[in-house]
Amino acid sequence: EVQLVESGGGLVKPGGSLRLSCEASGFSFSRYSMNWVRQAPGRGLEWVSSINHSGSYIFYADSVKGRFTISRDNAKNSLYLEMNSLRAEDTAIYYCVRDNGLEYAYGLFDYWGQGNLVTVSS
Amino acid sequence: DIVMTQSPATLSVSPGESATLSCRASQSVHSNLAWFQQKPGQAPRLLIHASSTRATGVPARFSGSGSGTEFTLTISSLQSEDFAVYYCQQYNNWPPGTFGQGTKVEIK
Repeated sequence: EVQLVESGGGLVKPGGSLRLSCEASGFSFSRYSMNWVRQAPGRGLEWVSSINHSGSYIFYADSVKGRFTISRDNAKNSLYLEMNSLRAEDTAIYYCVRDNGLEYAYGLFDYWGQGNLVTVSS
Repeated sequence: DIVMTQSPATLSVSPGESATLSCRASQSVHSNLAWFQQKPGQAPRLLIHASSTRATGVPARFSGSGSGTEFTLTISSLQSEDFAVYYCQQYNNWPPGTFGQGTKVEIK
């Protein structure tokens, strides 16, 4: 069974930093592209970032480019999102999401973690 | 970016009836469209990809259709567990994979 378990969320002040982690199990993590998708409270879904299986292809939404960094450690079956210069509008549930793509992500999100809330507030 | 527009925003349906949800893309996405179901407090779940292919374990009462810019998700004989918010998402122009704003299917 595919499982994605996020951790690292919480309350942070504007301008602060936070690192999200996602531990994967139940599939060959090193073969799949991965994504972060977020959902502001009571709002819709917004793709944030993607990374291919080897980490050689990385993409970001314009709203987070230059502030967020996605990475992965295939030896630890883990995905990360380093978030800096956080703003109130970054407040959201952040989901770790598997991409159906292997060598390259192509945006088909087939398995989702349970989500982790990040709140940016003074 | 491609804009995805879903209608209606809310659909009131009685259990056992069918529901038809619409999703329109601002430009052609061919058949690169997915549907997700999200229940309160839960993560989204992939229902349909490639416009009409059900994901693993999805009941046959869920069906998708369409191509280009117009898409439909039909839920036949709604069960209590089907009342949720449904999102469409295009992955033709990637990145970003843009989502619609959602349709809430509620009990009438």
